[in-house]
Amino acid sequence: GAGVSQSPRYKVAKRGQDVALRCDPISGHVSLFWYQQALGQGPEFLTYFQNEAQLDKSGLPSDRFFAERPEGSVSTLKIQRTQQEDSAVYLCASSSREGGYGYTFGSGTRLTVV
Amino acid sequence: LAKTTQPISMDSYEGQEVNITCSHNNIATNDYITWYQQFPSQGPRFIIQGYKTKVTNEVASLFIPADRKSSTLSLPRVSLSDTAVYYCLVGDIGAAGNKLTFGGGTRVLVKP
Repeated sequence: GAGVSQSPRYKVAKRGQDVALRCDPISGHVSLFWYQQALGQGPEFLTYFQNEAQLDKSGLPSDRFFAERPEGSVSTLKIQRTQQEDSAVYLCASSSREGGYGYTFGSGTRLTVV
Repeated sequence: LAKTTQPISMDSYEGQEVNITCSHNNIATNDYITWYQQFPSQGPRFIIQGYKTKVTNEVASLFIPADRKSSTLSLPRVSLSDTAVYYCLVGDIGAAGNKLTFGGGTRVLVKP
């Protein structure tokens, strides 16, 4: 596609529910990142994929967070047993390069846990 | 990654030039300086990137002094639509999987 697409755009979950957030990167992009952005803060790194390999997951806040990119294209961020502190915007970014700052971000999924 | 410091907020008026200075005292030899712009309900958008001296594109200019310990993003003749949060990032763009480290950004409000 022309840009990075994320779905759903908004998600309301009851505390304890599992959620799955989807990212469709730009076709052919090698690198894919997930970020978490709390209200009024800058985005914070969660995890990084190079093709299907998850090379860095140091930013995942707990073992309730899990990300996958099985075929090296679409990625899913899953949060199990959601808590109120998980409420945030989850951003996905992709790049055609392994390094560099030419990343394209999606518009994010706003997750609200009630 | 080098840490950055930038003002929390700035106000300006339409037609004025806006200059946002970012401090990065611990910048490393291989580090580049990159600025992103973020509008409400959108993801960050790349504006400009540089290593030293001056870089200009159709959107902005980036001024980097010789010691590279700071940089200034210059937005010429801003309009209301330039109201956004601007982030300064520093890092080695050649490193595979180099994760972007965002600070708090500078909230720019352009008034009529």
